[in-house]
Amino acid sequence: RKEVEQDPGPFNVPEGATVAFNCTYSNSASQSFFWYRQDCRKEPKLLMSVYSSGNEDGRFTAQLNRASQYISLLIRDSKLSDSATYLCVVRQGTGNQFYFGTGTSLTVIP
Amino acid sequence: ETGVTQTPRHLVMGMTNKKSLKCEQHLGHNAMYWYKQSAKKPLELMFVYNFKEQTENNSVPSRFSPECPNSSHLFLHLHTLQPEDSALYLCASSQVLRGEGGTNEQFFGPGTRLTVL
Repeated sequence: RKEVEQDPGPFNVPEGATVAFNCTYSNSASQSFFWYRQDCRKEPKLLMSVYSSGNEDGRFTAQLNRASQYISLLIRDSKLSDSATYLCVVRQGTGNQFYFGTGTSLTVIP
Repeated sequence: ETGVTQTPRHLVMGMTNKKSLKCEQHLGHNAMYWYKQSAKKPLELMFVYNFKEQTENNSVPSRFSPECPNSSHLFLHLHTLQPEDSALYLCASSQVLRGEGGTNEQFFGPGTRLTVL
């Protein structure tokens, strides 16, 4: 079983739409959770950390459900510039092993 | 952005060549990582260095040899690679938190796109 699983998509949505990505992780001892964004042929960049109580950054909202081992990312009012691959990342225990999902591809269409 | 730099950005090598990838971080972090990213696959962790000591080696073939001379520099020495080693090699750094032993988020370099002929 993969450590982190994501729906690879692709998601093709019109500008202004709301889109949600989901991610599940297998290890209940996981401690830290992140969403990264990766543009084509570029390196991953941190979009936001995910906190237990859920957190919001502008149009982006992240949620964590520890009981279900599930993480989500909601993007409201999608922009063309949101087109990218979104990576779900989980850190386990007290070490610094990070596990990455395969990423979910988003294309926002004019 | 110049937090984490990698050279070269592109590399083409034959299977009998020896080459090295270089990574440098300017963020004052104490942990550095090498990842491999192949098409349609998640990032694969190869090596982790905490305070210059290697703490993880995820069953990486010996044709990949890491070196961490100090907490700011990380190398990946390559020799007798195979065509299936062609991929994007990403370096990252993070700050390991003392006491808890955890770490904050990772910052990535731009990667080296490697092609093995």
